Amino acid sequence: DGGITQSPKYLFRKEGQNVTLSCEQNLNHDAMYWYRQDPGQGLRLIYYSHIVNDFQKGDIAEGYSVSREKKESFPLTVTSAQKNPTAFYLCASSIRTGEDYGYTFGSGTRLTVV
Amino acid sequence: AQSVTQLDSQVPVFEEAPVELRCNYSSSVSVYLFWYVQYPNQGLQLLLKYLSGSTLVKGINGFEAEFNKSQTSFHLRKPSVHISDTAEYFCAVRRAANAGKSTFGDGTTLTVKP
Repeated sequence: DGGITQSPKYLFRKEGQNVTLSCEQNLNHDAMYWYRQDPGQGLRLIYYSHIVNDFQKGDIAEGYSVSREKKESFPLTVTSAQKNPTAFYLCASSIRTGEDYGYTFGSGTRLTVV
Repeated sequence: AQSVTQLDSQVPVFEEAPVELRCNYSSSVSVYLFWYVQYPNQGLQLLLKYLSGSTLVKGINGFEAEFNKSQTSFHLRKPSVHISDTAEYFCAVRRAANAGKSTFGDGTTLTVKP
């Protein structure tokens, strides 16, 4: 079955440490997205990519970085510059042409600063 | 720019009662509209979508939604809810032309009581 795999499911970060969240899809989707979810605030867009080797900042990109070297993969690095990284992170993918424009989401990574 | 407002942050309802979750949107261009459901500690799952055509769309789990262009609304309804419908529901909008990133509402927590 095709889908999106996020790993790890739980991640703990020490102060000043960079961590990388993995997102892999086998749906042959062109577009991939990273969202951050905090209680009561819905989903906020961090970064997105509509094509390999290209990505754009979303609404809250400061303190985060991404790469898109392969169509299937869109890892997110939470850097030490992100002062409040504790949150639930969701990766999503979609097509950009055709009949179905809904997102497919991964199961999320919960990041906690210790 | 586009925005989504979910008018109720929490909706409590008794089992087998009808429910409506309200969503209004704002956009200067044509958009696609979506409802997603999220169960605790999971990713989001697409419930239904409006792309074009009939304004009444049916989705999974017995949910339906009606697109009202004049009122810029896309309310979600179910005639009889079950305990298992307890979850958080998100309305989202996505630009129709050259489909770009989606904008999500802040979510509505539906709690079904026995």
